[in-house]
Formats: sequence, structure tokens, C-alpha cells
Amino acid sequence: GDSVTQMEGPVTLSEEAFLTINCTYTATGYPSLFWYVQYPGEGLQLLLKATKADDKGSNKGFEATYRKETTSFHLEKGSVQVSDSAVYFCALSVQGATPLVFGKGTRLSVIA
Amino acid sequence: EAGVAQSPRYKIIEKRQSVAFWCNPISGHATLYWYQQILGQGPKLLIQFQNNGVVDDSQLPKDRFSAERLKGVDSTLKIQPAKLEDSAVYLCASSFRLDNEQFFGPGTRLTVL
Repeated sequence: GDSVTQMEGPVTLSEEAFLTINCTYTATGYPSLFWYVQYPGEGLQLLLKATKADDKGSNKGFEATYRKETTSFHLEKGSVQVSDSAVYFCALSVQGATPLVFGKGTRLSVIA
Repeated sequence: EAGVAQSPRYKIIEKRQSVAFWCNPISGHATLYWYQQILGQGPKLLIQFQNNGVVDDSQLPKDRFSAERLKGVDSTLKIQPAKLEDSAVYLCASSFRLDNEQFFGPGTRLTVL
């Protein structure tokens, strides 16, 4: 079945450090890929998405590139801020169907 | 625009009791989803509605879980009787159409003792 594997946390970084959260997937079809973020006490929010190979999703300084050859969608940010502290979820949706398949989530803590 | 509303935010019950969760999606959103998020895991789909019809309930434990969306707007998820392993956060999400972005509510955290 379809699945998403993302690096386990927690990840603790100093402010302005470079962030990478790895995500790989297995899918029977040709999926769309997503990163969701969950800030403390809030619901899941879509951070960025990509719908086809080599697409780059970007938002709020975060980027992720859809790599079909390595079945990956790693999340990166060049300079993290304390306000980026949250849990990040990688997810996929097989085209034509919308139930999301999520990874386990990675908790990021950024310290000043 | 108001977001997805859920209530209650927290619920503590004993095993074998029953519980119900309520979700009000964003106005005009035809598709509604219920996800279960167990601690340390990502959310997993329980059931998906399109208007008041069920699109996918293959992951719903139907011996104890039920859900309805009678008027195609708000929805109720019920567990009867609850088991210890039902302790989780129950997330409701909605989207305008089947292939649109899903917007999530804050969730209901259920603890079964």
C-alpha cells in the first residue's frame, strides 16, 4: 500500500540554522506530495505541495522538490526562526483520490 | 472566513463508555473527512463524505465507530463502546471539492481510561 516515511525527531536547531527534514514515499500510482505543519494548539495547515516530478513547492521560506527517481520530497529551509517550532508532516495523495497518507511527523524545536 | 470547527476539544471517558464528536466544516465545502491521529503517528483516514454520502469508510472500525452527515453540512463521529486503543486526536477536515486542499480543524483529544 501507499506509505510515507519521514525522519524521526525531535530535531532541535539554533535560530538561523539550516533545516532538512527527509521524506520518502511508496505509492502505487503517481502521487501528489505535501508538507503540513501543526503549530502548538492548532490544526494542521498546508505548508507546500507539488503535483508532478521536478516540481518545487515553496512557502514561508520552506522548499521541497518532488524527486521521482529517489521517491523523495525533502523539506528544507535556509534559516529557521523560533516561530518555525512545530510538528511537520509529509503526506501523499494518489492522483484522482484525496485521502491523505501521512508520515509520523517530525517535531522541530528552534532555540534562540 | 471561519475555519473548521470541532467540539469538544478534550474528552476523557472510561472504556466501554460511548462518546460523540462534532464537526462543522467551512461553509460551502462539500467534502468532509475524519482522521484519527494516535500519539506519535500521522493522521489516518477513518471516513470521507461527499455532501451527505460516504465516499470511503474502508478504514472505519464499523463494529464500534459510526459517522453521519445527514444534511451534508456538519458531521458527528461516534464511538460505542470505547476501547483503550481509541485514545487519540480525532481530526476533521473539509475541502471544496474532492481534489481541493483540505482544511483541518483543531481536533478533539480523546483519552480512554
